[in-house]
Amino acid sequence: DTAVSQTPKYLVTQMGNDKSIKCEQNLGHDTMYWYKQDSKKFLKIMFSYNNKELIINETVPNRFSPKSPDKAHLNLHINSLELGDSAVYFCASSQWTSGSINNEQFFGPGTRLTVL
Amino acid sequence: QQPVQSPQAVILREGEDAVINCSSSKALYSVHWYRQKHGEAPVFLMILLKGGEQKGHDKISASFNEKKQQSSLYLTASQLSYSGTYFCGTETSGTYKYIFGTGTRLKVLA
Repeated sequence: DTAVSQTPKYLVTQMGNDKSIKCEQNLGHDTMYWYKQDSKKFLKIMFSYNNKELIINETVPNRFSPKSPDKAHLNLHINSLELGDSAVYFCASSQWTSGSINNEQFFGPGTRLTVL
Repeated sequence: QQPVQSPQAVILREGEDAVINCSSSKALYSVHWYRQKHGEAPVFLMILLKGGEQKGHDKISASFNEKKQQSSLYLTASQLSYSGTYFCGTETSGTYKYIFGTGTRLKVLA
């Protein structure tokens, strides 16, 4: 059974379109994250949800909107896609302890988004 | 500010040792280490929570110098499977800020 899964694995789309990436974890964790890894391989946290509540919201364009329907799911919707949005997006989950990210994060396989 | 890792890249022969450093400009609460192979997701190696803490498993260990705001990852007697990009992930004290370092590409040759 896959611990953290993402769909789709690849996403190719035109500038200006709206797209969504879905993430699900079956580890029973209470915290989920979205990361963006650019072409230079820098990994940057975008959002984090703890028990469906947004706890980390980095400086990300408001075209990006996360949604957490329950603790096991965290989806990412992107409006009006731009060329610079091309990257690999990773979802991750962990168990939140003592108000901190001090536990192992499990990453999904990633979604490679290409904006043409 | 993104933690800076050094070296940026390193090539080793099987059996050689390597040290990867992670330096932050801010006080750190914890340091995580991850390895990412090409085309795959990052995989957790270890976490260090206290200043001065050292951890290790197999031939990979790490230390955390809270005062110097830095952590080091030690790879001993490297194996081909150690190849990949290593990232430190840091949580800044008193915040929920979690930032990955600049990454170190490591290649082990037979």
